[in-house]
Amino acid sequence: DGGITQSPKYLFRKEGQNVTLSCEQNLNHDAMYWYRQDPGQGLRLIYYSQIVNDFQKGDIAEGYSVSREKKESFPLTVTSAQKNPTAFYLCASTTTGRATNEKLFFGSGTQLSVL
Amino acid sequence: DAKTTQPPSMDCAEGRAANLPCNHSTISGNEYVYWYRQIHSQGPQYIIHGLKNNETNEMASLIITEDRKSSTLILPHATLRDTAVYYCIVRSNTGTASKLTFGTGTRLQVTL
Repeated sequence: DGGITQSPKYLFRKEGQNVTLSCEQNLNHDAMYWYRQDPGQGLRLIYYSQIVNDFQKGDIAEGYSVSREKKESFPLTVTSAQKNPTAFYLCASTTTGRATNEKLFFGSGTQLSVL
Repeated sequence: DAKTTQPPSMDCAEGRAANLPCNHSTISGNEYVYWYRQIHSQGPQYIIHGLKNNETNEMASLIITEDRKSSTLILPHATLRDTAVYYCIVRSNTGTASKLTFGTGTRLQVTL
């Protein structure tokens, strides 16, 4: 079945450590997104990419980095510069990311906690 | 992006219709209204979207007012499994990209 796979489901980070969240999709979508969700809050956009080897900052990009070396993969690194990383992270994709009538498909999320 | 306003919570009895309102008074002509729902600790699930006309699918109906400033998501026969947070979102173009901006949604509690 086509879809978006996020791993791991749960991740723990030590102080000063960088961690990388994986996101893979087999939907042949061009556009991919990373969102952060804090308890009781909506989703906030971290980074998005509309094409391989290109990505743009979202609303809360500080302390995060991404890469888009392959169409199907969009990993997110939470760096030590992100002082409050504990949150639920969601990856999503859509066909092109350029039209207003495209559905967004989401992965099942990664819960990141700080030890 | 157009801002949306939703009530923070609603209750609905099982088997009854759940009507979830959303205001989007600053919506522009080419912006679609989307509805997603999120069950705790899962990724949001697409429900339905529309531009001007009312829409219906196997999950729900979407009623958009003629002036497009508000809409209502209707779950015709709510079940306990419909308990979730429902997000009303307006999707707009920003330069070469289109983005979805999520608010805090409506927490729907379906009860026996």
